[in-house]
Amino acid sequence: TQLLEQSPQFLSIQEGENLTVYCNSSSVFSSLQWYRQEPGEGPVLLVTVVTGGEVKKLKRLTFQFGDARKDSSLHITAAQPGDTGLYLCAELQGNKLVFGAGTILRVKS
Amino acid sequence: SAVISQKPSRDICQRGTSLTIQCQVDSQVTMMFWYRQQPGQSLTLIATANQGSEATYESGFVIDKFPISRPNLTFSTLTVSNMSPEDSSIYLCSVRDSSYYGYTFGSGTRLTVV
Repeated sequence: TQLLEQSPQFLSIQEGENLTVYCNSSSVFSSLQWYRQEPGEGPVLLVTVVTGGEVKKLKRLTFQFGDARKDSSLHITAAQPGDTGLYLCAELQGNKLVFGAGTILRVKS
Repeated sequence: SAVISQKPSRDICQRGTSLTIQCQVDSQVTMMFWYRQQPGQSLTLIATANQGSEATYESGFVIDKFPISRPNLTFSTLTVSNMSPEDSSIYLCSVRDSSYYGYTFGSGTRLTVV
């Protein structure tokens, strides 16, 4: 089972700041998904990246997939308190979704 | 996308007892997945539940502790047996959504064992 490393583990920032969350592996990802989980809810899919070098945007969120498909990043511009939550990268390994350790983001107003 | 109803949403249980968690999906799905999320941590796959066959358990999880039923294509249960405080976690069910490549999750069951 390929291990997914996420960093940082925890991020506490002020509203309006920018931030980046990273997801890395020593092996090539077949594809990578990013999820956000809010307290009391299950994770919700934000994006799937498949092609090396791919960049996808979702409003203030920008997702990048490394050229070698061994790393990915999530960048949030002008963070808002509503962005608070647990951000998880995940890889589909066969039929199973395997998650990274997650990044807890807290955005203070 | 699929809609999942999971219940109970939370429970407080005595050690040594068992709790059965139910997961209902609004569409037929081949595989259902059960995850555990310990406080402040990520999700760990417990097992994959296929209709008509025994569940497939991940390393570190055994059927005697986490028996799973999958009587049809829209429903599954996970039982946490002979509970101890270490079983205090959030338990989530999930399905692979055929409308896109993502997975849909229930809201989870927050279990506290005292």
